[in-house]
Amino acid sequence: DAGVIQSPRHEVTEMGQEVTLRCKPISGHDYLFWYRQTMMRGLELLIYFNNNVPIDDSGMPEDRFSAKMPNASFSTLKIQPSEPRDSAVYFCASSLGAWTEAFFGQGTRLTVV
Amino acid sequence: AQSVTQLDSHVSVSEGTPVLLRCNYSSSYSPSLFWYVQHPNKGLQLLLKYTSAATLVKGINGFEAEFKKSETSFHLTKPSAHMSDAAEYFCVVNSGGYQKVTFGIGTKLQVIP
Repeated sequence: DAGVIQSPRHEVTEMGQEVTLRCKPISGHDYLFWYRQTMMRGLELLIYFNNNVPIDDSGMPEDRFSAKMPNASFSTLKIQPSEPRDSAVYFCASSLGAWTEAFFGQGTRLTVV
Repeated sequence: AQSVTQLDSHVSVSEGTPVLLRCNYSSSYSPSLFWYVQHPNKGLQLLLKYTSAATLVKGINGFEAEFKKSETSFHLTKPSAHMSDAAEYFCVVNSGGYQKVTFGIGTKLQVIP
């Protein structure tokens, strides 16, 4: 397996634009997690899914953030409209069980100008 | 409730000398514990995990960690540091079920030639 695949690796966008981050988890993993990493706040869990169903989205900072998992092999994290304070590295991770161990993608570095 | 404390934000060692990265946790349940490593501009990679089996856990790249319940610690060690070990290390606790996983703030390891 190629591991968790995220795209794009880098995204630069203007404030107010919509941004969509994509993730393909490891095949057979039932859990998918979206994290955000910044210097100020470290790693934050935004939302996680179990069998494509969102279980806990309490980490999503605002209504501007939304996440979907239409099937077992694909998830998106959308920010609309984007703001400069959303600039961060966004990681997707997947695991077999409830965080038995999570495998992380390479991340998407988002810069909102 | 659970928490994890990485006692040092930065550790500097000379190449060939031992590495000790400290982690303390608190949890109401028997936790699973993990160490992850993040090299610059990379995703997080699992180094090792403790899941209630042997208390001394061996991981990749010569790292190991010992779970000490009486001290609520899970320190990461390596007998001899290599230049390639320079990275940021995260201690992670999971008390299971749908509880959120908690990351430590990270320890940046510098290896001096």
